[in-house]
Amino acid sequence: QVQLQESGPGLVKPSGTLSLTCAVSGGSISSSNWWTWVRQPPGKGLEWIGEIYHTGSTNYNPSLKSRVTISVDKSKNQFSLKLSSVTAADTAVYFCARGAPAPNAFDIWGQGTMVTVSS
Amino acid sequence: DLVMTQTPLSSPVTLGQPASISCRSSQSLVHSDGNTYLSWLQQRPGQPPRLLIYKISNRFSGVPDRFTGSGAGTDFTLKISRVEAEDVGVYYCMQATQFPWTFGQGTKVEIK
Repeated sequence: QVQLQESGPGLVKPSGTLSLTCAVSGGSISSSNWWTWVRQPPGKGLEWIGEIYHTGSTNYNPSLKSRVTISVDKSKNQFSLKLSSVTAADTAVYFCARGAPAPNAFDIWGQGTMVTVSS
Repeated sequence: DLVMTQTPLSSPVTLGQPASISCRSSQSLVHSDGNTYLSWLQQRPGQPPRLLIYKISNRFSGVPDRFTGSGAGTDFTLKISRVEAEDVGVYYCMQATQFPWTFGQGTKVEIK
């Protein structure tokens, strides 16, 4: 059974770079799935950030594209998110999820990790 | 971007009674491959989202049959036939037909 677990600093300074990792267990990151990041500001809805395939192919939300980098490390069976030039508006719970190709839906989610942008 | 609009934003329901949530997209969600990539997710308090329904009406593994999805084109509905206490949470529709993937604002289902 595939499980996802996010990790990374819970506090980032304004103008800094947010860095998170999602470890995939119970399955291979090289399977035919897209690996995704979604965020949720406190008390608000969900926003898709972007996704990566194990080949390194990526798709990003245009609203964040200039600041986002998603990468994959097949040797560690994990993928990562970097978001640069952060502001308080980037404070959110960050989820990683698996995008299954057939239903084209996010069928497995991590528990999420809260990241606060503050000095 | 495709805008997903849900109504109502809040739905107080009596236990055992039905609930219905509407989701409307700003453009047709029919993909060039003929599929419609509209899914529904449930987020219980303090939990990550959970996939309930994909491609309009397909129940995901382990989802009770009291959850039913329907619709076509730009208009979609999630129905809960008899609301149980464990159904409390926020429900989101999501489209994966056109980049960027987008979500509805969410509908909060609570018990009266």
